[in-house]
Amino acid sequence: KQEVTQIPAALSVPEGENLVLNCSFTDSAIYNLQWFRQDPGKGLTSLLLIQSSQREQTSGRLNASLDKSSGRSTLYIAASQPGDSATYLCAVNPGNTPLVFGKGTRLSVIA
Amino acid sequence: DAGVTQSPTHLIKTRGQHVTLRCSPISGHKSVSWYQQVLGQGPQFIFQYYEKEERGRGNFPDRFSARQFPNYSSELNVNALLLGDSALYLCASSLRDSIGELFFGEGSRLTVL
Repeated sequence: KQEVTQIPAALSVPEGENLVLNCSFTDSAIYNLQWFRQDPGKGLTSLLLIQSSQREQTSGRLNASLDKSSGRSTLYIAASQPGDSATYLCAVNPGNTPLVFGKGTRLSVIA
Repeated sequence: DAGVTQSPTHLIKTRGQHVTLRCSPISGHKSVSWYQQVLGQGPQFIFQYYEKEERGRGNFPDRFSARQFPNYSSELNVNALLLGDSALYLCASSLRDSIGELFFGEGSRLTVL
């Protein structure tokens, strides 16, 4: 059974700092991996999708990497801003079953 | 283009009542999935529909049911509500069946008293 773990559960950083969020999964047989952002009480916003054949994807200040063989993905946020404060969720897609989510990392960027 | 839209955004029910949540996918998307998210947890899969057929069901009791209409919109129904059903219910749509990128709506916040 696929399990997704996100570490740390919460993170607080000063504005301007670069940071890394971690996601690990137990079964490397995945089709793709998706990173989402969730503001309190709101829905999920898709940030980046990495196909299993890819190593990384970039969008603006965000860079996500995927190491399928070791069951790990990281989300790198450059030059963090207070507006980046949110919960970040990682989800793996096994391909023939629904997305499996981690519990998320709650990020606070302090001005 | 409109994203995934859900209604209602918030609702309060009492134990034993029934609730219907609605979802309209992104135009052109034929797959709709439903997820339940309780506070502090990641979303848990409830149902997936593709081309109006049920393609997957999560580990939820039979009180939960869903359907997809010819225009690809969807309803999630929950009968005999329990306090534990209080959660954010999220709908997601995708172009393809089980392997496409998912786009989520803002969710329906259900409180059961």
